Amino acid sequence: DIQMTQSPSSLSASVGDRVTITCQASQDISNYLNWYQQKPGKAPKLLIYDASNLETGVPSRFSGSGSGTDFTFTISSLQPEDIATYYCQQYDNLFTFGPGTKVDIK
Amino acid sequence: QVQLQESGPGLVKPSETLSLTCAVSGYSISSGYYWGWIRQPPGKGLEWIGSIYHSGSTYYNPSLKSRVTISVDTSKNQFSLKLSSVTAADTAVYYCARRYFDWQGDYFDYWGQGTLVTVSS
Repeated sequence: DIQMTQSPSSLSASVGDRVTITCQASQDISNYLNWYQQKPGKAPKLLIYDASNLETGVPSRFSGSGSGTDFTFTISSLQPEDIATYYCQQYDNLFTFGPGTKVDIK
Repeated sequence: QVQLQESGPGLVKPSETLSLTCAVSGYSISSGYYWGWIRQPPGKGLEWIGSIYHSGSTYYNPSLKSRVTISVDTSKNQFSLKLSSVTAADTAVYYCARRYFDWQGDYFDYWGQGTLVTVSS
């Protein structure tokens, strides 16, 4: 089984701040990683696929990078509507989600 | 626009079988892609349960495999989940989703709104 970890588990930042979340896989998954945003009471929404590709319609302030075991998700300028929990997900071997990072406004 | 809608009992007794259906509109399941189930216990993270192709080919999360059956009904454009011998640990919001894949990526692109299933006597 491939295990996914994320850090931090939660963070508070001010509007306009740069926010960075890291995701680590327990083994090499190449670039087989996606990022989702989940707002309270809603289904997850795909933001980034294949580690660094922005899904159509997603604002360009969201970005992803990394390969192998270490990945980064960045919001370049945090907006109030970005309050949510963010999950990484690997698809190298079946599917596993990270535990999530809750982002709120300071 | 592809839409998915889960339906089924919101309360299941311990040791019984949880049954849910996902109705798909805006896309024919027979046209391709995999269709799957993902769950989320209250206040916790996401867990992939399993997926099915329109042909009926399935694959499951090894941790749930012994209790899970996913089936498809292309005539009704829907697919279903059965989870047997449930316990309180199976209490969760259950989502159905489409697994999109091509040479560029592999991800869950369309999701249902989710349905809460509580296991309790």
